Amino acid sequence: EAGVTQFPSHSVIEKGQTVTLRCDPISGHDNLYWYRRVMGKEIKFLLHFVKESKQDESGMPNNRFLAERTGGTYSTLKVQPAELEDSGVYFCASSQNADRGETQYFGPGTRLLVL
Amino acid sequence: QKEVEQDPGPLSVPEGAIVSLNCTYSNSAFQYFMWYRQYSRKGPELLMYTYSSGNKEDGRFTAQVDKSSKYISLFIRDSQPSDSATYLCAMQDSGGSNYKLTFGKGTLLTVNP
Repeated sequence: EAGVTQFPSHSVIEKGQTVTLRCDPISGHDNLYWYRRVMGKEIKFLLHFVKESKQDESGMPNNRFLAERTGGTYSTLKVQPAELEDSGVYFCASSQNADRGETQYFGPGTRLLVL
Repeated sequence: QKEVEQDPGPLSVPEGAIVSLNCTYSNSAFQYFMWYRQYSRKGPELLMYTYSSGNKEDGRFTAQVDKSSKYISLFIRDSQPSDSATYLCAMQDSGGSNYKLTFGKGTLLTVNP
């Protein structure tokens, strides 16, 4: 069974540019999560999709970030315009259910560097 | 005060040593406690999961939760070089957003052959 995949693995962009990150969850997983780790900090929750619906986007830093999950399959996270503080590793995770203790399977992450 | 505190290390031990990794937390609502292992350039993978207080053992790994002290531990017996990774504690509460994982910073462990 294929795991969670993320593309690209790395992205280097200049401040003010736009970047789009993609996540393909495990097939059949309705729940998809985005997390982010900035340098020296903890991994932090950004948002949660159930199928194509945003259930919780309380962790999104500001309106420069836009997440979508069209058709309830893959998801994209767009940063526009990117700022220096957006640099970090963006992880996507998926799970079958969103119950307490349900295993969330993480992708390898996209390393974003904003110069 | 951070919700979850974890000593980032690094921690270096010889092969065969017993390793103790710990986290403290401040949020009394946390009920579900996990340990994730993350190898370099990979995503975190779930290693152990414990509900409320108590111990859980899985092979060489033992997870302990002491809710009265708000303290969780992961013990690795007979550590192997393949255990070298970053170990992250993570927690979920019992409230409405219980799917949300709150992580510690992670402890970088190196097991030397």
